[in-house]
Amino acid sequence: EDKVVQSPLSLVVHEGDTVTLNCSYEVTNFRSLLWYKQEKKAPTFLFMLTSSGIEKKSGRLSSILDKKELFSILNITATQTGDSAIYLCAVYSAGSARQLTFGSGTQLTVLP
Amino acid sequence: NAGVTQTPKFQVLKTGQSMTLQCAQDMNHNSMYWYRQDPGMGLRLIYYSASEGTTDKGEVPNGYNVSRLNKREFSLRLESAAPSQTSVYFCASSARQGPYEQYFGPGTRLTVT
Repeated sequence: EDKVVQSPLSLVVHEGDTVTLNCSYEVTNFRSLLWYKQEKKAPTFLFMLTSSGIEKKSGRLSSILDKKELFSILNITATQTGDSAIYLCAVYSAGSARQLTFGSGTQLTVLP
Repeated sequence: NAGVTQTPKFQVLKTGQSMTLQCAQDMNHNSMYWYRQDPGMGLRLIYYSASEGTTDKGEVPNGYNVSRLNKREFSLRLESAAPSQTSVYFCASSARQGPYEQYFGPGTRLTVT
């Protein structure tokens, strides 16, 4: 059965800190890994990673994938209160009825 | 562009009642999805439609039916609601089926008493 595990489950930091969120997976027929940010409502897309070792960056957020060790990390530097959200990791596995298998998320709280 | 829209935003049902959740997208996407989100369980796929005219079961399809009305619209029906179906329901769409970005609607919070 496909599995995606995120850690930590929750994290509280202060503005300006740097955080690293982890996502490990066990799936058959891996195709891609996606990161989403979920505030009060709908998840919004951050990154999609398909190749090992290639960092994706968007402003203060960056992510990298290790297909050999089956994990990805999401880094957020110089955190702001607006970064407070649940961060979801999802893996697409070809041929899976689930299509995307989601982890249960990391709740990040950034205090002023 | 509105993106993905869902109605209603909130709904309270009694056990045994039926209802339909509506979803529409204006991005000309081929594939659409229905998820439920429960605390500590992440998002789980209920049904999806890879393209107009096709629907397939996801991870948790029991108790639900879907209709892909046309390319834009994908509805989710609960024929006889149960308390276990209390959840937040999200509709999503993507350009096509596969390892592509999915765009999510704002969600419907459903409570079954």
